[in-house]
Amino acid sequence: DAKTTQPTSMDCAEGRAANLPCNHSTISGNEYVYWYRQIHSQGPQYIIHGLKNNETNEMASLIITEDRKSSTLILPHATLRDTAVYYCIVRVAGEAAGNKLTFGGGTRVLVKP
Amino acid sequence: DTAVSQTPKYLVTQMGNDKSIKCEQNLGHDTMYWYKQDSKKFLKIMFSYNNKELIINETVPNRFSPKSPDKAHLNLHINSLELGDSAVYFCASSLGLAGGRREQYFGPGTRLTVT
Repeated sequence: DAKTTQPTSMDCAEGRAANLPCNHSTISGNEYVYWYRQIHSQGPQYIIHGLKNNETNEMASLIITEDRKSSTLILPHATLRDTAVYYCIVRVAGEAAGNKLTFGGGTRVLVKP
Repeated sequence: DTAVSQTPKYLVTQMGNDKSIKCEQNLGHDTMYWYKQDSKKFLKIMFSYNNKELIINETVPNRFSPKSPDKAHLNLHINSLELGDSAVYFCASSLGLAGGRREQYFGPGTRLTVT
């Protein structure tokens, strides 16, 4: 599985956009970029995923560079409840991979009032 | 209306004991997983089952034995518990294995403490 690199931590102001970068320079053509987050003491929560195109849903936007070697998760208006560890994961799409998620260290995001 | 539920939420036991953690999902998914999150907060997959068939077994000691009685349940039985088994165990489920949108839904976790 392709490895991802994320900053260890970042702070952002409540109400402002939070931009979380992720580097996945060894990503292959059949690998998707997924984002999950884990709020303290809870199970991880799916946020968004993409292959090549930028994606948006009710939680966030995902911007993937044209060469697919990096991506940015955007939380448009961060709230205190967005404080969590955010994981960028590269997932192989083929059935043989078993939909396995390999979690790294993630980015610890602290939203401040 | 919990989508993925686990019991118990907390489990405190002594070394050498055998214990089980149960997981149930009501999402109609066909694939279920067990993950372990250790004290350093790293999440690692242990097992996955698709339609009750073992798909992933990530070099987990054979003291750990998952059992899937049906597609909605995946239980984890641990024999001869060791101190190093102390962790939070998360169950998850998804629909299908291949292709695009295969997000996993996680349960609330079971905190296992071995003394």
